[in-house]
Amino acid sequence: AQSVSQHNHHVILSEAASLELGCNYSYGGTVNLFWYVQYPGQHLQLLLKYFSGDPLVKGIKGFEAEFIKSKFSFNLRKPSVQWSDTAEYFCAVNVGGGATNKLIFGTGTLLAVQP
Amino acid sequence: NAGVTQTPKFQVLKTGQSMTLQCAQDMNHEYMSWYRQDPGMGLRLIHYSVGAGITDQGEVPNGYNVSRSTTEDFPLRLLSAAPSQTSVYFCASSYSMGRYTFGSGTRLTVV
Repeated sequence: AQSVSQHNHHVILSEAASLELGCNYSYGGTVNLFWYVQYPGQHLQLLLKYFSGDPLVKGIKGFEAEFIKSKFSFNLRKPSVQWSDTAEYFCAVNVGGGATNKLIFGTGTLLAVQP
Repeated sequence: NAGVTQTPKFQVLKTGQSMTLQCAQDMNHEYMSWYRQDPGMGLRLIHYSVGAGITDQGEVPNGYNVSRSTTEDFPLRLLSAAPSQTSVYFCASSYSMGRYTFGSGTRLTVV
């Protein structure tokens, strides 16, 4: 079965530190990849997505992610985090090249940014 | 405001009771889904629908039923609530790949 792994369950950073959250998926075919963010007390929002083309994608609020096909990875990065980035981050994968809109989510990474 | 509306926001059930979580969207999205969110387990897909009259099971469908009689509504039914179903439930809809709109969630406690 397809699966998504996020190895960092809880990350604590100081403001201005750089961020990288890992995401690996297990599926050998065509995939579409996403990062969602859930701020405290809110519902999930799309941060960025990758369908095809340039493997380095940029999202909202200065986030970016790089798709490395050979490593089955889609890591999320931000050069300098802010206190307002405190949230839970979810990697998600759609498999099958668009045959279905079904998304499989990772277990999430809780990011706490200390001022 | 256009979006996904979930009701109720909070619910406490006794073991064995049944209930329906409501989900409605006014964006004419064909695709709708239900997830449950549990600490350390992320979001797990319960059921989904690709259009009115069409539903399918996700990763954790046991104990839940769905139907999709209209494009707008996608209710989730708990047939006989169990403590293991204590969770936060999110409904989502989408018109394009991965661009989901999520509801604000229903926090369910089964005692």
